[in-house]
Amino acid sequence: DQQVKQNSPSLSVQEGRISILNCDYTNSMFDYFLWYKKYPAEGPTFLISISSIKDKNEDGRFTVFLNKSAKHLSLHIVPSQPGDSAVYFCAAFGGSQGNLIFGKGTKLSVKP
Amino acid sequence: KAGVTQTPRYLIKTRGQQVTLSCSPISGHRSVSWYQQTPGQGLQFLFEYFSETQRNKGNFPGRFSGRQFSNSRSEMNVSTLELGDSALYLCASRAGQENIQYFGAGTRLSVL
Repeated sequence: DQQVKQNSPSLSVQEGRISILNCDYTNSMFDYFLWYKKYPAEGPTFLISISSIKDKNEDGRFTVFLNKSAKHLSLHIVPSQPGDSAVYFCAAFGGSQGNLIFGKGTKLSVKP
Repeated sequence: KAGVTQTPRYLIKTRGQQVTLSCSPISGHRSVSWYQQTPGQGLQFLFEYFSETQRNKGNFPGRFSGRQFSNSRSEMNVSTLELGDSALYLCASRAGQENIQYFGAGTRLSVL
């Protein structure tokens, strides 16, 4: 039973345009959400997070939106840069276990 | 401040052997979690240690075990290795009740 789903395995975007990565979750007990970026041969790097009491959080070019009623969150990257090319993981915290539950990731390719 | 350090970075073992992986968390972080990453399953939670005690455990067989020392360093052991144990093993640390986990670069284990 996959509690955090990233339904798009890959996404290709032109440099300078917006990248939108989506994530759905099923457990309404989740109260904190995070996005991580991962390059090959490296561990995931924390990018941005959002608490369930908010619906938006911004950090520079990165914005995360949370829609609790739809159990959906999205990461917007504006403008996209070639260095943003990586695998992005959505993760949720909360529920019965105090650990992160990850989606399977979306591979973002930003073309120059 | 130094990040999470995992050793070794790469390991090759044969079926039936056992292996021990090491993780040094960020200074001051008392919580250490372990994850297994495989292409098909994404990142899956193994266990979390806090103050030398296992606090949470994922859905993995008893062949996977861990421990934490008084200096918060952690080790993970896998006994009677199987081909399916080939994966990237990631360690993450966090401070107290903070929800953000910081990852090491991982140990790539290949079982032949």
